[in-house]
Amino acid sequence: DAEITQSPRHKITETGRQVTLACHQTWNHNNMFWYRQDLGHGLRLIHYSYGVQDTNKGEVSDGYSVSRSNTEDLPLTLESAASSQTSVYFCASSESRDRTQYFGPGTRLLVL
Amino acid sequence: AQSVSQHNHHVILSEAASLELGCNYSYGGTVNLFWYVQYPGQHLQLLLKYFSGDPLVKGIKGFEAEFIKSKFSFNLRKPSVQWSDTAEYFCAVNEGGSYIPTFGRGTSLIVHP
Repeated sequence: DAEITQSPRHKITETGRQVTLACHQTWNHNNMFWYRQDLGHGLRLIHYSYGVQDTNKGEVSDGYSVSRSNTEDLPLTLESAASSQTSVYFCASSESRDRTQYFGPGTRLLVL
Repeated sequence: AQSVSQHNHHVILSEAASLELGCNYSYGGTVNLFWYVQYPGQHLQLLLKYFSGDPLVKGIKGFEAEFIKSKFSFNLRKPSVQWSDTAEYFCAVNEGGSYIPTFGRGTSLIVHP
């Protein structure tokens, strides 16, 4: 069965460190997204990609970057982790014909 | 910019009670509408969606939603909730031909057995 996986599932890091969260999908979807989920804010879009070599900023992109070198993967990098980036991060993908989002299991990140 | 409002942030019900969760959006053009559910400790998954046609949409687990264009609403309903419906519910709207959804802030539903 097609799926979307994220790793690690839990991460503790220190302020100032670079952190990369992995996202891998086997749906063969063109569109991939990164969200953060915080209490009281719901889901907020960080970055998204419509295909290989395409990346775009979302509403809360400061301090984050992504790269898309193939269809399956969209890693999210926190350049210099800050305590404000403590959150749960969800990766999602969708195909162009059907805008339904398929979500990964999430990564819980704690920045100390 | 598009906004999506979910008016009920926390809802507590007893089993067998009826449920209605509100969702309103601000975009005046063509929209695609979604309800996603997040069970405790799990990822979000699709509950139901509306693209066109019959404005009354039926989803999984007995849920349904009605698109009322004149009210910019897409409310979620279930006639009789179960303890297993305890979850967080998110409304999402794609405006026009956009692939990017705008999510509401979510409604936390607790169902007491």
